[in-house]
Amino acid sequence: EIVLTQSPGTLSLSPGERATLSCRASQTVGGNYLAWYQQKPGQAPRLLIDDASRRVTDIPDRFSGSGSGTDFTLTISRLEPEDFAVYYCQQCGHSPLTFGGGTKVEIK
Amino acid sequence: EVQLVESGGVVVQPGGSLRISCVASGFTFEDYNILWVRQAPGKGLEWVSLISNNGVTTYYADSVKGRFTISRDNNKNSVYLQMHSLRTEDSALYYCTSGRGWTSENWGQGTLVTVSS
Repeated sequence: EIVLTQSPGTLSLSPGERATLSCRASQTVGGNYLAWYQQKPGQAPRLLIDDASRRVTDIPDRFSGSGSGTDFTLTISRLEPEDFAVYYCQQCGHSPLTFGGGTKVEIK
Repeated sequence: EVQLVESGGVVVQPGGSLRISCVASGFTFEDYNILWVRQAPGKGLEWVSLISNNGVTTYYADSVKGRFTISRDNNKNSVYLQMHSLRTEDSALYYCTSGRGWTSENWGQGTLVTVSS
């Protein structure tokens, strides 16, 4: 099983600042099949990025994904008020599929 | 508009069984894999199971293997998760998700399963 470790656990930032979220895998993620999701309180998660760096339809370009192999990053270039949420990474290349523990981005 | 609507979540005793369902609309159902993802209250996301678009291939998390069975009926745009030998740690909001690959592109709002005596 591929274990995903997300860091930091909580990121305290102000609107307009840059957020950098890390996701590290215990072994190589095949095909770079790494996805990022955003979850707001009381809502289902929403897919932001798949294949490590492909932004899905309707996701603003302030969100970007990068990385390969075992180290992946989600960057939010300038935080908007609606971006404060919990973010999860997931590897989708090998069963069992696994999620990271999440990073909470909170308002400082 | 893509919609995934889960149902069937109830309170069930430990050791009991339950089947939850998901009805899809707004997309070509037989072209998509369906995945179940669960989330215990206040906790993170846990992938549970996946069924391929044609129903031939299934996968399970180790935590549910041998107890849960996923199936689908493409004529009814529906997916089912049959759960046996339920444990308290199976208590969670169960999300039905869809994807052309193994990524959860679209999500339902979830159905709550509570395992408690």
